[in-house]
Amino acid sequence: GESVGLHLPTLSVQEGDNSIINCAYSNSASDYFIWYKQESGKGPQFIIDIRSNMDKRQGQRVTVLLNKTVKHLSLQIAATQPGDSAVYFCAEMPNSGYALNFGKGTSLLVTP
Amino acid sequence: EAGVVQSPRYKIIEKKQPVAFWCNPISGHNTLYWYLQNLGQGPELLIRYENEEAVDDSQLPKDRFSAERLKGVDSTLKIQPAELGDSAVYLCASSLQGTSREQFFGPGTRLTVL
Repeated sequence: GESVGLHLPTLSVQEGDNSIINCAYSNSASDYFIWYKQESGKGPQFIIDIRSNMDKRQGQRVTVLLNKTVKHLSLQIAATQPGDSAVYFCAEMPNSGYALNFGKGTSLLVTP
Repeated sequence: EAGVVQSPRYKIIEKKQPVAFWCNPISGHNTLYWYLQNLGQGPELLIRYENEEAVDDSQLPKDRFSAERLKGVDSTLKIQPAELGDSAVYLCASSLQGTSREQFFGPGTRLTVL
C-alpha cells in the first residue's frame, strides 16, 4: 500500500552553487533560532544559531538570516559541496529556555 | 573526544514486548535529553535531565515509557509494553547545561515494532 508519511521538501543544487534553505516559525517569543544538519544514519549536528535581536549571522560558508516581521529564517550555504547533502532542520528555543522545538526538515541534495 | 554513545543501534521487537535503550553522554555534560524522531520529522523532546534529576518529562508517555539517569551520567529509556506506533528513532543528546543551544546528538536507536 501507499506509504503514509511526510515527503520532505527537497532542494537540489549543483556542486559549487549557493543553497538557500528556508524555515517559517510561529513563536514570536523565541529567544534563539538554530540550524541543525542531519546526515543519513546520524543524529542532528549543530550548524549555527542566531539570537532574536539579530537579523544576520555568518559562520564558515554559512549565513543565517532572520526576518522577524514575517517570522522567517533562512540558511545560506556558499559553494555547496557533496558533503552538504543532508536534511536541515530549523529549531527555536523559547524564552523559557531549555527545550528545542524542531521544525520540519528540508532535504538538500548536491549533485556533481 | 568521544561523542554521545547509544546502544543498540537497531532493535526489532514484537508488540507488547519491553525494550530498553542506553545512552552515555559526553563527559562533563550535565544535561541529557531523550528525543523521539519519526520518519521525515524533526526530533521531539521526551525528557530532559539536569544531572540525575528529570526536570522536564511533560512529553513522556508515562503509562508505558520510563527513564532514569542514575548517578547523573548514563541514562536508560524503557518502553513497556511497546506498541506499533512506537516505531521510530530514539535519539539521545547532551549539552554542557540546559541553556545551551548546541546539543550533541548520538546516532540514535532505530526501533521497529512488529
